[in-house]
Amino acid sequence: EVQVVESGGGLVKPGGSLRLSCVASGFTLSSYSMSWVRQAPGKGLEWVSCISSNGDYIYYADSVKGRFTISRDNAKNSVYLQMNSLRAEDTAVFYCARGGSNREFDPWGQGTRVTVSS
Amino acid sequence: SYVLTQPPSVSVAPGQTAIITCGGNNIGSKRVHWYQQEPGQAPLLVLYADRDRPSGIPERFSGSNSGNTATLTISRVEAGDESDYYCQVWDTSSDHAGVFGGGTKLTVL
Repeated sequence: EVQVVESGGGLVKPGGSLRLSCVASGFTLSSYSMSWVRQAPGKGLEWVSCISSNGDYIYYADSVKGRFTISRDNAKNSVYLQMNSLRAEDTAVFYCARGGSNREFDPWGQGTRVTVSS
Repeated sequence: SYVLTQPPSVSVAPGQTAIITCGGNNIGSKRVHWYQQEPGQAPLLVLYADRDRPSGIPERFSGSNSGNTATLTISRVEAGDESDYYCQVWDTSSDHAGVFGGGTKLTVL
């Protein structure tokens, strides 16, 4: 079964840091781009970041540029999101998703919740 | 940055046809993808590249894309179709970025 599973969420104070992980199974991670997408409570989906299959190309949403860093370790079937200088507005469920040939996202993980609060 | 506009809500009776639009500047030149999200669940891809259905998605789900509007059409709507639906494109006009519409809540009356 093709799936991705996120972990690493939690409660963090404003200005703090958190590292999310996404473990892939059922497919060859090195053949796919991967993205992180978040959803604030009661809000819609917001794309956060994407990394190409070999890590050569990386893109970020303006809202996280300079604060978040995406990376991957294909040997470990894993993708990461290092989040620094966290703000209250970063509170959201963060989803990891595989990128398709048309830049669609499929599948998605179940999400990991990040709460930024003092 | 590129903006996608969806109606906040659409209501339809069971058995009827639901049409959810996604507006964007010259969106017909882009490939549009659609996701279904039930409360508390992760999004599920229901259409990709304007009109293609992933394995397991019923033929009742169809799509089109032309000009400034892409459309998700759900025929013979069932109670289980009640969900939030999001359109998405990949924008390369200024910087490479994923873009989602604001989402449409489909209510089955």
